[in-house]
Amino acid sequence: DSGVTQTPKHLITATGQRVTLRCSPRSGDLSVYWYQQSLDQGLQFLIHYYNGEERAKGNILERFSAQQFPDLHSELNLSSLELGDSALYFCASSVDGVAGNTIYFGEGSWLTVV
Amino acid sequence: GQNIDQPTEMTATEGAIVQINCTYQTSGFNGLFWYQQHAGEAPTFLSYNVLDGLEEKGRFSSFLSRSKGYSYLLLKELQMKDSASYLCAPFQGGKLIFGQGTELSVKP
Repeated sequence: DSGVTQTPKHLITATGQRVTLRCSPRSGDLSVYWYQQSLDQGLQFLIHYYNGEERAKGNILERFSAQQFPDLHSELNLSSLELGDSALYFCASSVDGVAGNTIYFGEGSWLTVV
Repeated sequence: GQNIDQPTEMTATEGAIVQINCTYQTSGFNGLFWYQQHAGEAPTFLSYNVLDGLEEKGRFSSFLSRSKGYSYLLLKELQMKDSASYLCAPFQGGKLIFGQGTELSVKP
């Protein structure tokens, strides 16, 4: 158990809908990262938050947004869902987002869009 | 992944040693992580290198050459449970960048 908690673990929803994925980082970690992993694909970086502020952004679609709250949990919002958004979404956390600090991954949220 | 090259697949025998190579772009480099990922599960941390040289951790060792943009993960005394995907991930631009990973199959 990495200490990073993600909910829900599984989610099935229809095209056009909106979902919210939630992540609680490890105790004491200020940085939260979101990654997308489609079937047989590598992990694609979406976004990084540090202590409530956006620090880095990857190839995140405009239909996707994220935020980190004062209690440090983070949410990834996916809207106008398409079939191609079906993937495993991972949240990861580290102490401060600085190189050298181990980044721990949660178990992921499986999203299936039908 | 972003110019991260690893072999797609490797096969090895239980009890043997295997070396998984990785090359990456050196610009903005701030260390390199190796993760293990079983299908459908979370990546789990194996090792971190920021200086040149070898880091040893039990059955797993990782090597880094910053000037060459090269790393390898060495797995000794292979066990069946080591069958998984191994991900080389340089830390660049404030984030981990992953390649496609190397799918390792350990045979009896």
